[in-house]
Amino acid sequence: GQNIDQPTEMTATEGAIVQINCTYQTSGFNGLFWYQQHAGEAPTFLSYNVLDGLEEKGRFSSFLSRSKGYSYLLLKELQMKDSASYLCAVRHIGANNLFFGTGTRLTVIP
Amino acid sequence: DSGVTQTPKHLITATGQRVTLRCSPRSGDLSVYWYQQSLDQGLQFLIQYYNGEERAKGNILERFSAQQFPDLHSELNLSSLELGDSALYFCASSVGGGSGYTFGSGTRLTVV
Repeated sequence: GQNIDQPTEMTATEGAIVQINCTYQTSGFNGLFWYQQHAGEAPTFLSYNVLDGLEEKGRFSSFLSRSKGYSYLLLKELQMKDSASYLCAVRHIGANNLFFGTGTRLTVIP
Repeated sequence: DSGVTQTPKHLITATGQRVTLRCSPRSGDLSVYWYQQSLDQGLQFLIQYYNGEERAKGNILERFSAQQFPDLHSELNLSSLELGDSALYFCASSVGGGSGYTFGSGTRLTVV
């Protein structure tokens, strides 16, 4: 089975940095994904980690520690358009389907 | 445009009815996944097809069924609809193997 935990809501200021944490429990880890979802829209892919460490992609970075069952998404130089839900998802060995957490709703304020 | 096409975008129907949601995957993608997202809920995995065959099943109700056709498009059939089935239904596709998903824009189903 799997258990994925994320904070429900976060608020941050425009131009600042915010870190969204995700913890998971799974038997047979095979990758962690982060998606962004604006209200009523489709999730869009942000990042993928399968090995420990930091993956950087522009203003967005994602970190993974497999031994701790822990990941975070780091958003720098926040913009108002970054207000959205951020979904952490885990894939298991032998499967291609992803199991999603309930998401973190981020609100960026001026 | 993500390349994954879902129709219809909106659907309003009465309890007890049956509806069919359609998904065309991105060109070249062999896998199709269906997810349900209720208000303030996470994405719940329903079912996966790969090149026409069912590959994985999640929390899909017996009233729901799906299939993937030879042209790789997929249909999700929801029958004996209940108020609680009101949700966004997303289809996603992938090449298969180690890649992530590309989601369609979803079908918003409202059961009244």
